Parts: sequence; structure tokens; C-alpha cells
Amino acid sequence: DAGVTQSPTHLIKTRGQQVTLRCSPKSGHDTVSWYQQALGQGPQFIFQYYEEEERQRGNFPDRFSGHQFPNYSSELNVNALLLGDSALYLCASSLGPTLGSPLHFGNGTRLTVT
Amino acid sequence: AQRVTQPEKLLSVFKGAPVELKCNYSYSGSPELFWYVQYSRQRLQLLLRHISRESIKGFTADLNKGETSFHLKKPFAQEEDSAMYYCALSGMGGSYIPTFGRGTSLIVHP
Repeated sequence: DAGVTQSPTHLIKTRGQQVTLRCSPKSGHDTVSWYQQALGQGPQFIFQYYEEEERQRGNFPDRFSGHQFPNYSSELNVNALLLGDSALYLCASSLGPTLGSPLHFGNGTRLTVT
Repeated sequence: AQRVTQPEKLLSVFKGAPVELKCNYSYSGSPELFWYVQYSRQRLQLLLRHISRESIKGFTADLNKGETSFHLKKPFAQEEDSAMYYCALSGMGGSYIPTFGRGTSLIVHP
């Protein structure tokens, strides 16, 4: 049973560029959440997708956008990259966007902005 | 707003010693609380959740609503418990999206 998979594993971009990160949820899961984890910090919620719609959003600017496809996979897009966007981006899937639904995490994509 | 505080960045103990990883939360409603763990070179994974009232790998956590705490405990630490531990909270009536603490690194020395 494949767990949550994310691609790429590492990425280096230049300030001002745009980036797309990809996530395939655990088999049977229909909800995808994205988190940003800066060094030494806990994961910070970016947004959650369910039924191809953004259901909840954290305190992140509009430069961060996403998409969910009919097969439940998801993309995270970040425009006009800033140095401060350098972080580990985690995708987590769950069964339904319900309270208490445990998250299953991927290994993350390490984004470095130079 | 919901908030999770893990006051210790690092906790260092010897094998066989008791362990308590602290977690305090701020939330006005009824919270759903979790502990997630990340072992070296592995992904972040759920360790336990308070509604399950179960013991996983010898760890337990009790929700104390009076003290707004959800400390993680183990009576006898093992070297394989060395990992990063994150406390997380979901809140009915607020955001059900888990809010994470900054994490505590547990090191168990032989």
C-alpha cells in the first residue's frame, strides 16, 4: 500500500521564480493538506483540498495556491518566490476533512530559494 | 485562536529513565489532541490521539482540561524512542485542521 508520495524531493529556485510541488495521497484518502515547515519549527498549515476545492486556508499570502485533481492528487504552487519561502513542504492526506481525522504525511519537498 | 506550546526544544534522558514531553494548548472549546513523531530519516507519523485512550510503544498521554495540557509520558525510555515529537490540536467550532507545536527533540542515551 503506497503511502503519501511527494515530488520532487529537493528543489532549488531563484527569487522571483515560480514553483509547483506535487502530492499523491495514500490509497483510499480523499483529502490533502499542505504544510510548510521552517527549520526548527513545527508544520504550519497552508491549505486543505477536498472534492477538488480549497476547504480551509492558513495564514499564507495569495502567492500560495493549489489544486486537487479528480484522482485526489494535489499540487501546491508558489509564485514570486521569496528567500523566506525556503522550507520543507509537507503534504498530508486523510480520509475526509473531518475533525480528528489523522494525517498521513509524505516525506516532503525541500525547497531552497536563492 | 488555537495554539499549541511545547516548552522544551530538547529533552535528554538516559535509557530506563522516565520521560515526560510537555504540551500545553490554548483553545476555548473541546479539543482533539494528537502526538505525532518523526524518527530519523522517516516521515512524520501519528503516535497517538487522546480519544483512543491507548498506549502506543509504551507512551500514554492524558488530556487535562483544567491545566490545558496533554503531556506525553513513558515510564522507561528506550534508545529507539529518540525522535522529534510534535503535539497537535484540532478544534471543534474552530479549525479542525491540526495546529502543531514546534516540537521537542527527545534523545535517549545508552
